[in-house]
Amino acid sequence: GAGVSQSPSNKVTEKGKDVELRCDPISGHTALYWYRQSLGQGLEFLIYFQGNSAPDKSGLPSDRFSAERTGGSVSTLTIQRTQQEDSAVYLCASSLVWFMKLAFDPQGPFFGPGTRLTVL
Amino acid sequence: AQSVTQPDIHITVSEGASLELRCNYSYGATPYLFWYVQSPGQGLQLLLKYFSGDTLVQGIKGFEAEFKRSQSSFNLRKPSVHWSDAAEYFCAVGYNNNDMRFGAGTRLTVKP
Repeated sequence: GAGVSQSPSNKVTEKGKDVELRCDPISGHTALYWYRQSLGQGLEFLIYFQGNSAPDKSGLPSDRFSAERTGGSVSTLTIQRTQQEDSAVYLCASSLVWFMKLAFDPQGPFFGPGTRLTVL
Repeated sequence: AQSVTQPDIHITVSEGASLELRCNYSYGATPYLFWYVQSPGQGLQLLLKYFSGDTLVQGIKGFEAEFKRSQSSFNLRKPSVHWSDAAEYFCAVGYNNNDMRFGAGTRLTVKP
C-alpha cells in the first residue's frame, strides 16, 4: 500500500512475555519514528531512525525496549519481559528528510494505524 | 530542554462556537510546527504545518494556526466548530536534528 503499515493491529500477551511490533514505512522515507500512546495520554516519543545514522534512543523507557531497522526500511520494536504498564498503542511514522533543504516532504511524517498492545 | 505544552487537557465548546487550542514550545531557534487530529479509533491526520513565511497558516477542515515567536506559541483556531470536530488534537514541534515531539493532546468535546 501507499501508507505506513503496522502489524499486528492488536496484540494481547501475558506479563513477562516478549513481543515484537513491526512497522513498514512508506517506500523511500528515510526517517522512521516510534511513539507510544497510553490510554488517555498524549504521544510519547520512543526512538527515531534517520538513514544510516545511529538512532536516537533517548525516549526508550527502559532497557527492556529495543528497536532495529533493517536495510533502512522495515523496523521492529521489541519489548522484553512485558509489564502491564507497557499496555498502549504503539505508533510508527515515517517521513522524508524534511528538515534538510535538499529533500523536503511538505506533508510531514505519516503515521501508521498503530498496534494496540495489551499486557495481562 | 525541548518541550511542547498543551495547557488544556479537555475543552468543551458548543457547536457553531469558535475554538482556540493552545500550544507552547520551548526551543532556542525557530521550530517546525504541526497540528494533528486524532478522531476516535482513527490514526493521526495532519491538519496544518508551519515551516517558514507567513505566520498565519491555513489547514484542512477550516482550521488555521498562528505562529507567534514572541510568545513561543502556535495556537489552533476555528471560527465555527462542527460536531464532527470532536477529537483529540496534538501539537507537534520538529527540530533541526529531525526529531519531533508531541504535546500531551487536548480532547475536544462539541455540545449540540
